Amino acid sequence: DIVMTQSPLSLPVIPGEPASISCRSSQSLLHSNGYNYLDWYLQKPGKSPQLLVYLGSSRASGVPDRFSGSGSGTDFTLKISGVEAEDIGVYYCMQGLQGITFGQGTRLEIK
Amino acid sequence: QVQLQQWGAGLLKPWETLSLTCAVYGGSFSDYHWSWIRQPPGKGLEWIGEINHRGSTKYYPSLRSRVTISVDTPKNQFSLRLTSLTAADTAVYYCARVDRVGGDYYGMDVWGQGTTVTVSS
Repeated sequence: DIVMTQSPLSLPVIPGEPASISCRSSQSLLHSNGYNYLDWYLQKPGKSPQLLVYLGSSRASGVPDRFSGSGSGTDFTLKISGVEAEDIGVYYCMQGLQGITFGQGTRLEIK
Repeated sequence: QVQLQQWGAGLLKPWETLSLTCAVYGGSFSDYHWSWIRQPPGKGLEWIGEINHRGSTKYYPSLRSRVTISVDTPKNQFSLRLTSLTAADTAVYYCARVDRVGGDYYGMDVWGQGTTVTVSS
């Protein structure tokens, strides 16, 4: 199994300030097609998760451009350029290369 | 706009079988894969398994012996069956669309509303 490890697990942020979440996988997520099979999801309170970023760095449809994903191989990062109140929730990274595995989640809260 | 509507029994006893169904409205069924994910109370997301329209499946290894995911392509529906339930299976269960075509992959882009399943005697 590919194990996904996120940090930090809790992230208090002042509105307007940037935020960054790290995700590390136990094996490379680089597919033979050259893409990293790594997604980022946000689960807002009481809601179903929603896709933010797929293939490591591609924003999903309708996702604001303050969200950006980067990284390759085993180390990935989700950055929010300026956090807004509506961004609170739990962020999960997920690998889709071998089956599917989620990270533990990072709870973003407004300071 | 694609929507997933899921349903099934919410209160079950130990050793009973969980059965959930997810219907796909407003989009293609055959062009995607379909997945089940669960979330125990206060915890993170756990993948259960995935199926395509031909019925080819992948399961999370630790659940494989108890899980069956099936598909009814003419009805644009897929289902989850989990046997020999214990309290540890108490969770919110989600269905989701996996945008995976050939070797390409674009994430789980549409999710159902979630179904709360409680296992208790």
